[in-house]
Amino acid sequence: NAGVTQTPKFQVLKTGQSMTLQCAQDMNHNSMYWYRQDPGMGLRLIYYSASEGTTDKGEVPNGYNVSRLNKREFSLRLESAAPSQTSVYFCASSEDRQGAQPGQPQHFGDGTRLSIL
Amino acid sequence: GNSVTQMEGPVTLSEEAFLTINCTYTATGYPSLFWYVQYPGEGLQLLLKATKADDKGSNKGFEATYRKETTSFHLEKGSVQVSDSAVYFCALSDPGGSQGNLIFGKGTKLSVKP
Repeated sequence: NAGVTQTPKFQVLKTGQSMTLQCAQDMNHNSMYWYRQDPGMGLRLIYYSASEGTTDKGEVPNGYNVSRLNKREFSLRLESAAPSQTSVYFCASSEDRQGAQPGQPQHFGDGTRLSIL
Repeated sequence: GNSVTQMEGPVTLSEEAFLTINCTYTATGYPSLFWYVQYPGEGLQLLLKATKADDKGSNKGFEATYRKETTSFHLEKGSVQVSDSAVYFCALSDPGGSQGNLIFGKGTKLSVKP
């Protein structure tokens, strides 16, 4: 069972470079999310997509863009990478918008470890 | 706004010791509460959940009870194993879904020594 698949797993960029993090889920979920995880900060939401065709900003959206390509895929783009964006990025999905069903969990990928020099 | 506060780690225990990781929350209404576990190099996995007051979530020997009167959801396990070494996250889900996401605590790292 693949679940949520993220690519790449590791990446090193130079300041100013751009790249796209890919995420795909095979659970037919409507909602998808991008988080970043930093030491001592827990997980913080960057962007989410409640359903195909919609995207919304989360807590820390600056410096990022997203695309909900179709129901399966949700990509995160760094247009001009900065050292402050060094982090571990997690994609997640849920059947419906968070809070729509009591106890609905999110399913996470294994993360992309991104270093920006 | 909604928030989750977890005890700071790291927590180091010997195998077979009793584990408690404290979690308290601030939320309007009746949020759902979750514990997630993250093993080294992996993503987060749902460990257990509870959706209403006095519910007890349980899985793999871990338990947590939704206490509305103390706004808490403490994680417990009677006898930890080396394989339980991981980072544990408490989280809540806004009942109205207005924030569109889970609200996570900062995580508590658990190390279990043989």
